[in-house]
Amino acid sequence: DAKTTQPTSMDCAEGRAANLPCNHSTISGNEYVYWYRQIHSQGPQYIIHGLKNNETNEMASLIITEDRKSSTLILPHATLRDTAVYYCIVSRGNQFYFGTGTSLTVIP
Amino acid sequence: GAGVSQSPSNKVTEKGKDVELRCDPISGHTALYWYRQSLGQGLEFLIYFQGNSAPDKSGLPSDRFSAERTGGSVSTLTIQRTQQEDSAVYLCASSLWGFTDTQYFGPGTRLTVL
Repeated sequence: DAKTTQPTSMDCAEGRAANLPCNHSTISGNEYVYWYRQIHSQGPQYIIHGLKNNETNEMASLIITEDRKSSTLILPHATLRDTAVYYCIVSRGNQFYFGTGTSLTVIP
Repeated sequence: GAGVSQSPSNKVTEKGKDVELRCDPISGHTALYWYRQSLGQGLEFLIYFQGNSAPDKSGLPSDRFSAERTGGSVSTLTIQRTQQEDSAVYLCASSLWGFTDTQYFGPGTRLTVL
């Protein structure tokens, strides 16, 4: 009963924007969308989160559709160090359900 | 400043033995979480501590799993009578207030049950 669905894997050319989609059609009105990433053999790292407005920080931008049923994480200029598994998360009660995420490979 | 630390980094044990995994959260963080990540899988929530409130244990997979958090700081995850399916990386995270805050993860403990 995953609350989010993401593509299993994606490739992106180095220097180009990486756009990672996520569907969360059952999201409730007060639930945030979070993005974390996990580089091989490390603990997950927070990227960004949002409720309904688009958000931007030094790492990425988060675009949330008006109906909030989907979102896109944008890495504006992907580097090789951005190769990781990216998790889109909507909270479920007190729990974060990480799912299996999208494995992003940045290609030189 | 220091991040979340976990010990040991690796643990190999025999089936049926008990193991204890330790997590030191970031100082001042009131919330602490335990997750499990099996090979090639996403993170599975186990338990959540928030301040002095009763922990949310709804993710613990069986009664062989338990966790404590002493003095609102260090936490220990205990697995009794380990089974081979318990083999995984166990990750601890902490956040300043609660689960909606940014969670900072430790490096994890890799548990192998032979």
